[in-house]
Amino acid sequence: DAKTTQPPSMDCAEGRAANLPCNHSTISGNEYVYWYRQIHSQGPQYIIHGLKNNETNEMASLIITEDRKSSTLILPHATLRDTAVYYCIVRVPGNQFYFGTGTSLTVIP
Amino acid sequence: GAVVSQHPSRVICKSGTSVKIECRSLDFQATTMFWYRQFPKQSLMLMATSNEGSKATYEQGVEKDKFLINHASLTLSTLTVTSAHPEDSSFYICSARDRLAGGRDTQYFGPGTRLTVL
Repeated sequence: DAKTTQPPSMDCAEGRAANLPCNHSTISGNEYVYWYRQIHSQGPQYIIHGLKNNETNEMASLIITEDRKSSTLILPHATLRDTAVYYCIVRVPGNQFYFGTGTSLTVIP
Repeated sequence: GAVVSQHPSRVICKSGTSVKIECRSLDFQATTMFWYRQFPKQSLMLMATSNEGSKATYEQGVEKDKFLINHASLTLSTLTVTSAHPEDSSFYICSARDRLAGGRDTQYFGPGTRLTVL
């Protein structure tokens, strides 16, 4: 599975959109982009995933560039409860999930 | 949504004893479950893949005789840390893949078990 690169940390003002970038320049054609988050001392929580089209659900939006070498997770209106470590994972369906170091997002009041 | 539970949530044991951690998929069947370990301020590290009715597959560097995995049913996998030592103190997390998820193929994670070995 392709590796991903994420900034180690980001801040976001409460109520504003949080845009979390992820680079996956070696992604292959059958690999999906998954996003999970982990709030302190809890198990990871699934957020969203996609292959090449942009995706949206009740939690977030996923924007994947046309060449699929990068993506952005968007939390439209960040709240304090969104403070967590966000993991971007690239994976072929059926394979294991290997976690990188993620982005520690702090939402500031 | 799919729910995965773990028991116990916290455990403290003496060095040299064995500890069993249970992982259950509550509202779906999971032919495959995964075990992770997470040390403070680090990311999750995959330890092993557990398949119902067959032997677990361990990641490189993980001792299979120390971390015994049993996946006896479609809703239960157990991890036993044998002869635990202080360096085994960690946060252990399981995840499960929904057998009927089809194209979704998403893993759902348990809340984790905090193991402290004295």
